[in-house]
Amino acid sequence: ETGVTQTPRHLVMGMTNKKSLKCEQHLGHNAMYWYKQSAKKPLELMFVYNFKEQTENNSVPSRFSPECPNSSHLFLHLHTLQPEDSALYLCASSQVREAQTDTQYFGPGTRLTVL
Amino acid sequence: GENVEQHPSTLSVQEGDSAVIKCTYSDSASNYFPWYKQELGKRPQLIIDIRSNVGEKKDQRIAVTLNKTAKHFSLHITETQPEDSAVYFCAVSGYSTLTFGKGTMLLVSP
Repeated sequence: ETGVTQTPRHLVMGMTNKKSLKCEQHLGHNAMYWYKQSAKKPLELMFVYNFKEQTENNSVPSRFSPECPNSSHLFLHLHTLQPEDSALYLCASSQVREAQTDTQYFGPGTRLTVL
Repeated sequence: GENVEQHPSTLSVQEGDSAVIKCTYSDSASNYFPWYKQELGKRPQLIIDIRSNVGEKKDQRIAVTLNKTAKHFSLHITETQPEDSAVYFCAVSGYSTLTFGKGTMLLVSP
């Protein structure tokens, strides 16, 4: 599938490193999302971008910094992470219309390990 | 905010049996209810969804029912097969964001 792609697929980093996750959607959608998926936890919404504007930040620590340069690309910049930040980070996109939610399509995720 | 409860957390069935997973939600304004299937090591993928103006929707062996009054909706899988084994997530949305349930691990034994 090529609808939503993410790179890298796997990332191991130390607590003092700085890295970035990249997401690209090829579906012509106007909204993009970052989720965190940990073992035995539901999908946790981190950030939402609607028409390139951040509309939601669910109390995410500042060591996670999102960037959305255009409606097709989304980044998650990481710095000074903690071991508990190790998880699968999923990107998703959808088409948001007035008063109507459409399906969110997920990327394959980045498996992040913080040592 | 929206609160979504999903039950059961694990479900084991024999091949050919039916499986039912139920979710309840709190916000009566919610109007979109998708179900996702996530196989081990793969991304969540939409398998069926329903909007608040419909009470039931079916796609081959999969169906979803919605009771807006009681604020619950259910996923029904008939004639289960081993390849149905996965984690299933329900989700609820009022506008652009989805709130997910904690997931149900379905195990289908041959």
